[in-house]
Parts: sequence; structure tokens; C-alpha cells
Amino acid sequence: GNSVTQMEGPVTLSEEAFLTINCTYTATGYPSLFWYVQYPGEGLQLLLKATKADDKGSNKGFEATYRKETTSFHLEKGSVQVSDSAVYFCALSDLDAGNMLTFGGGTRLMVKP
Amino acid sequence: IAGITQAPTSQILAAGRRMTLRCTQDMRHNAMYWYRQDLGLGLRLIHYSNTAGTTGKGEVPDGYSVSRANTDDFPLTLASAVPSQTSVYFCASSSGQAQNSPLHFGNGTRLTVT
Repeated sequence: GNSVTQMEGPVTLSEEAFLTINCTYTATGYPSLFWYVQYPGEGLQLLLKATKADDKGSNKGFEATYRKETTSFHLEKGSVQVSDSAVYFCALSDLDAGNMLTFGGGTRLMVKP
Repeated sequence: IAGITQAPTSQILAAGRRMTLRCTQDMRHNAMYWYRQDLGLGLRLIHYSNTAGTTGKGEVPDGYSVSRANTDDFPLTLASAVPSQTSVYFCASSSGQAQNSPLHFGNGTRLTVT
């Protein structure tokens, strides 16, 4: 079956530091890949996505590249802000699995001023 | 404001009791979902509905039931709650298939079963 593995958190960074949150996946088909973000007390919201190999999704300074050869979709941001503190979820959607989203365990990011 | 409304926000429930979590959306989305969120496990799909009148089982459906009588409402029922159902429950909707249509989430219901 499909699965998504994320680095465990929490990840604690100082403001303006570089961020990488690792995500790898296994899928039976050819999935689309997503990053969702959950701010405190809220539901998840889509941050970015990529639908085919070598695609780069980007939004709000975050980006992630779909790497089929390494089955990875690592999230990066060049300079984090305190307002980026949240839980980040990597997810995949696979046509062979009925197009349902499979989520990773989430990674909590804490950015200190 | 358009979106998904979940109720209640939080609930403490005695084991063995019946509970219905409510979810309403005003975006006219066809697909709706119920997830539970547990620390370290991410979100796991309980049940889903691709369109009004149809439902399907997700990854962890045991102990839960759903109905989809109309487009807007997708209630989740725990017939006889058990402590392992203590979790945060999120309702979500999308206009189409997950690959092409982002999921919109409610703010969640925090349920504690004692």
C-alpha cells in the first residue's frame, strides 16, 4: 500500500534560518504529492503540490520538487519567519488507491525570534 | 464566510455513549471526508463520500458510521464510544478528485472518551 514518511519533529529554528523538512513516499501507482500546513487551532490547508516528476511546487516562499528517482518531496524555505510555526504534513494521492490522500505523520516547526 | 463548520469544538464523552459529530459545508463540494488526527500518526481517513447518497470506508472505519443525505452535511457517528477513539476529528471537502482539487478542512472536534 501507499505510505508517506516524514522526519520527526519538532524542528526548532531561529528566524531567517534555512528550512528543510524531509518527505519520502512509497506508492503503487504514479502519485501526486502535496504539502499541507496546520496552524495552531485550525484545520489543514494546502501549501503546495506537484503532479509529475521534476515538477516544483511553490507558495509563500516554500518549495518542494517531485523527485521520482529518490521518491522524495522535501519541503524547503530559504528564510523562515516566526509566523511559519506550524505542523507540516506531506501527502500523496494515487489514482490506483482511489485518489484518496495518504498523509505522513506531520512535522512540527517552531521558529524563534 | 464560506467553508466547513464542525460541531462541537470539543467534547468529553463517557465510554459506551453514542455521539454524532456534525459537519456542514457551504461550498457545494461533491466529496467529503472524515479524518482522525493522532500524534505521530498524521491524519487517517475514517470514511468518505464522493457524492450525496454514497459513502465509503477509509483506512480506519471500525466503530464509526456516516451518512450523506444531502450535499452539505456529512455527520460522523460513534455508536458506542471507546477510549481509543479519543482523538481530534477533522471533516474535509473537495470539489473533485484529491489529485486535482485541494481539500478544505474544518477546524476540528477534539473528542475525549473516558
